[in-house]
Amino acid sequence: SAVISQKPSRDICQRGTSLTIQCQVDSQVTMMFWYRQQPGQSLTLIATANQGSEATYESGFVIDKFPISRPNLTFSTLTVSNMSPEDSSIYLCSVTPAAGGPYNEQFFGPGTRLTVL
Amino acid sequence: SQELEQSPQSLIVQEGKNLTINCTSSKTLYGLYWYKQKYGEGLIFLMMLQKGGEEKSHEKITAKLDEKKQQSSLHITASQPSHAGIYLCGADAAGSGAGSYQLTFGKGTKLSVIP
Repeated sequence: SAVISQKPSRDICQRGTSLTIQCQVDSQVTMMFWYRQQPGQSLTLIATANQGSEATYESGFVIDKFPISRPNLTFSTLTVSNMSPEDSSIYLCSVTPAAGGPYNEQFFGPGTRLTVL
Repeated sequence: SQELEQSPQSLIVQEGKNLTINCTSSKTLYGLYWYKQKYGEGLIFLMMLQKGGEEKSHEKITAKLDEKKQQSSLHITASQPSHAGIYLCGADAAGSGAGSYQLTFGKGTKLSVIP
């Protein structure tokens, strides 16, 4: 399995500021994703982080609000821009290590708990 | 798109008891995943099922995908306090069988185990 780390693990931010979350994997992976888990809710997919190209966003999420980078096969960042209290959530990155089919094991990072005041 | 319903929403059991959590979809389930999440933390991958009738076990946790691939169950035998947490099922978001890596999740089942 892939070992995934996220930084920061938690943060408290002021309204209107931005926060960049990092996701580092200990091995090269095929796919990387970013999810959001709002308080008391399940996970919602934000976007697929594509290496060397623009991320693919799900309905309801836009690049201006959640810019994503993936410069290589082991690292990705998610920025939460112009934050409001509604952005308070746990943000998780996930990875699918292997190629060759969609139904492979998918692993999640420990998450970043964001509180916006 | 795929929507998953989990039951029960929460469960309190005495240590040593067995329990079952269900994950149901109105569409065929492709690539059904089970995860465990401790409060406020990341997800721990438990197992993934693909084929109708498939069953997998890890320690005291067994997951099954029914023959019609519309329901999965997670069974814990002789529960322990370490089993406490939120159990989430996830499946291929497209639900088309064409294959995608993006997952959609149920709302979770919160399990408490009383010593």
